[in-house]
Amino acid sequence: EAQVTQNPRYLITVTGKKLTVTCSQNMNHEYMSWYRQDPGLGLRQIYYSMNVEVTDKGDVPEGYKVSRKEKRNFPLILESPSPNQTSLYFCASSFGAWGSNQPQHFGDGTRLSIL
Amino acid sequence: KQEVTQIPAALSVPEGENLVLNCSFTDSAIYNLQWFRQDPGKGLTSLLLIQSSQREQTSGRLNASLDKSSGRSTLYIAASQPGDSATYLCAGYFYNQGGKLIFGQGTELSVKP
Repeated sequence: EAQVTQNPRYLITVTGKKLTVTCSQNMNHEYMSWYRQDPGLGLRQIYYSMNVEVTDKGDVPEGYKVSRKEKRNFPLILESPSPNQTSLYFCASSFGAWGSNQPQHFGDGTRLSIL
Repeated sequence: KQEVTQIPAALSVPEGENLVLNCSFTDSAIYNLQWFRQDPGKGLTSLLLIQSSQREQTSGRLNASLDKSSGRSTLYIAASQPGDSATYLCAGYFYNQGGKLIFGQGTELSVKP
């Protein structure tokens, strides 16, 4: 089954404790991205990757890191999490970005609470 | 700054009504526009994608249109059903935004039986 898998689905942690949210897709997609969704602010893109070893900042990259060492995986790293990073996070993938007629596929989300 | 706006933020209709959801954007230099559905606690499901060279796309009871010159897209839902209740989001790729996908804030639709 074609899917985007995020782990964990839920996480409660404390300020400053490094964490990684994993994202994996099984569709051989080149393009992957991370979003956060907050009430009143909607979905905002954190980072995106056009292909292996190619990443770029979205609208709200501060406090986050990503890597794309292999095509299927795109982990989101919070080196020193802070309470303002409490949010619902989504990973997404697609065959291409703007030039593609293929839609984005989203994971089920990771609800992150930083105390 | 590129903005995507969806009005209204919430909409409630009786079952069976035809309805239109609106999406507007500030820059007509758009690559494509997608409509998504989001159920509570779930991820987004792509409904329709319209390329800049297209004017509309249809899937079942859904029809999405794109008018670049006026900076508008609409999602038409025919014969609405309670199962259509969800939040609907539009998002676009724009020429001056690189690989960023810009989302509207969504319209929360409630279809009453």
